[in-house]
Amino acid sequence: EPEVTQTPSHQVTQMGQEVILRCVPISNHLYFYWYRQILGQKVEFLVSFYNNEISEKSEIFDDQFSVERPDGSNFTLKIRSTKLEDSAMYFCASRPPTGVPSFSGNTIYFGEGSWLTVV
Amino acid sequence: EDKVVQSPLSLVVHEGDTVTLNCSYEVTNFRSLLWYKQEKKAPTFLFMLTSSGIEKKSGRLSSILDKKELFSILNITATQTGDSAVYLCAVEQNYNAGNMLTFGGGTRLMVKP
Repeated sequence: EPEVTQTPSHQVTQMGQEVILRCVPISNHLYFYWYRQILGQKVEFLVSFYNNEISEKSEIFDDQFSVERPDGSNFTLKIRSTKLEDSAMYFCASRPPTGVPSFSGNTIYFGEGSWLTVV
Repeated sequence: EDKVVQSPLSLVVHEGDTVTLNCSYEVTNFRSLLWYKQEKKAPTFLFMLTSSGIEKKSGRLSSILDKKELFSILNITATQTGDSAVYLCAVEQNYNAGNMLTFGGGTRLMVKP
């Protein structure tokens, strides 16, 4: 089955530094997402992206966050000035166009995650 | 406020036992309900349910959705130690061009030999 890939798998950064997390969604997918999971807590929706713009975002996704699809294959999440509470696992996900059949019934494919530690 | 609630929070069983995990939801713009297994990192897809009353089955795992009572259950029969994981329920909501998932808090299952 195709995969969503994320880099880095783990990053440690100092508070106040900028961080960019990278994702390569599955090639024919059109919808892209970022989720995060603080240790021991729920997986939380951050943002969805379609047709080169943000389609939905949560309250968590404030002005410190931005997303970009700079070159048609990568999908990035930037945190401008990291805070301690940004420490979490960040998951990228992608979805195919509506109506594309899936052999497994799955429609939303998650990457392995990028673990961000802010110190 | 949209919410997805899973119970129990955690469960310890012995190999061979059968377990039932519960997920109830109150959301707007319901599209589907998904079950995931999370061991170390990314949630691994198990099932997607869209219609009430139709059981989905994969090996020892099965799941069913009740859209009238707004809940779903995940059954695991003849549990094995490899089933130990956090099981996540998520509801997919339909918003314009940006379907999103709202996750429950998960049920942590430990299967002892």
